[in-house]
Amino acid sequence: KAGVTQTPRYLIKTRGQQVTLSCSPISGHRSVSWYQQTPGQGLQFLFEYFSETQRNKGNFPGRFSGRQFSNSRSEMNVSTLELGDSALYLCASSLPTGMGGELFFGEGSRLTVL
Amino acid sequence: DQQVKQNSPSLSVQEGRISILNCDYTNSMFDYFLWYKKYPAEGPTFLISISSIKDKNEDGRFTVFLNKSAKHLSLHIVPSQPGDSAVYFCAASAASGSGNTPLVFGKGTRLSVIA
Repeated sequence: KAGVTQTPRYLIKTRGQQVTLSCSPISGHRSVSWYQQTPGQGLQFLFEYFSETQRNKGNFPGRFSGRQFSNSRSEMNVSTLELGDSALYLCASSLPTGMGGELFFGEGSRLTVL
Repeated sequence: DQQVKQNSPSLSVQEGRISILNCDYTNSMFDYFLWYKKYPAEGPTFLISISSIKDKNEDGRFTVFLNKSAKHLSLHIVPSQPGDSAVYFCAASAASGSGNTPLVFGKGTRLSVIA
């Protein structure tokens, strides 16, 4: 069974630009979550989607947004990039039994903002 | 306000000895706890979990202990192997009307197992 796939794996942007990251969950998983990992803060929850609906949202500014498609694939977008947005963005999928159970993570998209 | 705390950023252990990684939490509503392991350039992988109705869960070399009154859990790895060298994250969630709340992660502990 294929794991969670995230694209792109690495990208470099400049301040003020916007970026879109993509995530394909494990087949059959309908819940997709996004986390931001930075060296000082660990993994911070961004949002979670289930059946194309945002079910939970973390404490991030409105510049961070996401969506989920009918095939459960998900995208997240960060607009007006700031230096502090440099991080590893991790996507995770889970079975449709709800959040908080075992999450299966992708390898992440490493964003560098210059 | 950090709800899940891993106060030791790093830990070094000799191969064959026991590794003990600690985690404290502040939210008394948390009732499900997980440990994840992360190697560089890879996503975190699930290691072991425990629900609040138990105080111990064992899986091979890995055992998680939960002390609800102290709001503390620990991961024991016995015996430690060089391949266990990784960053370990503690995570917690609480039951809610639509399943569980999103996982809240600690900042991680980097374990180095020295041969």
